[in-house]
Amino acid sequence: AQSVAQPEDQVNVAEGNPLTVKCTYSVSGNPYLFWYVQYPNRGLQFLLKYITGDNLVKGSYGFEAEFNKSQTSFHLKKPSALVSDSALYFCAVNTGGFKTIFGAGTRLFVKA
Amino acid sequence: GAVVSQHPSWVICKSGTSVKIECRSLDFQATTMFWYRQFPKQSLMLMATSNEGSKATYEQGVEKDKFLINHASLTLSTLTVTSAHPEDSSFYICSADRAPYGYTFGSGTRLTVV
Repeated sequence: AQSVAQPEDQVNVAEGNPLTVKCTYSVSGNPYLFWYVQYPNRGLQFLLKYITGDNLVKGSYGFEAEFNKSQTSFHLKKPSALVSDSALYFCAVNTGGFKTIFGAGTRLFVKA
Repeated sequence: GAVVSQHPSWVICKSGTSVKIECRSLDFQATTMFWYRQFPKQSLMLMATSNEGSKATYEQGVEKDKFLINHASLTLSTLTVTSAHPEDSSFYICSADRAPYGYTFGSGTRLTVV
């Protein structure tokens, strides 16, 4: 069965420190991987995606993610966290068709 | 865990007809639900925010008369695609606000208009 796992319900980091939000997946075929952010009472906002090419993908707000095929991972990273980065982050996988599978979400807290 | 049931998972309809998609929170109440649309290999696009008991808030460029959203109860929101055309063929997914725990996604609906 195809699935996406975000192993951490919550990640806590201090402002200015690097952050990582983990995502692993299990799909058949070539994955198209996405990261979204959601703020309270708002819809998902697209951060970045990996379709093909360079394994390191750069996205909005200084976020980046690295596609690792051997580890089937697509971890979200940022070199220096901001308090305003505190939000709920979702990893998602699409296999080129019409269905997208979401992880359960990881809540990021950045402390000043 | 919290479950959002989205139905149907796959529907094929004739051009010109209307299709209703239901999004139901099974074990929690959702004041707010979101409706998204996605094309293959593309990111989700937020269509509208649905609030129980009030009119939905549509994103810019989304035709409110074509995509009717009703959120009549705390456990049910519906999206009706009216007078569907082939260009409406897409993947539609809802998510429900499970405050204060986060958001739960439905499993999505693949709409094919022929």
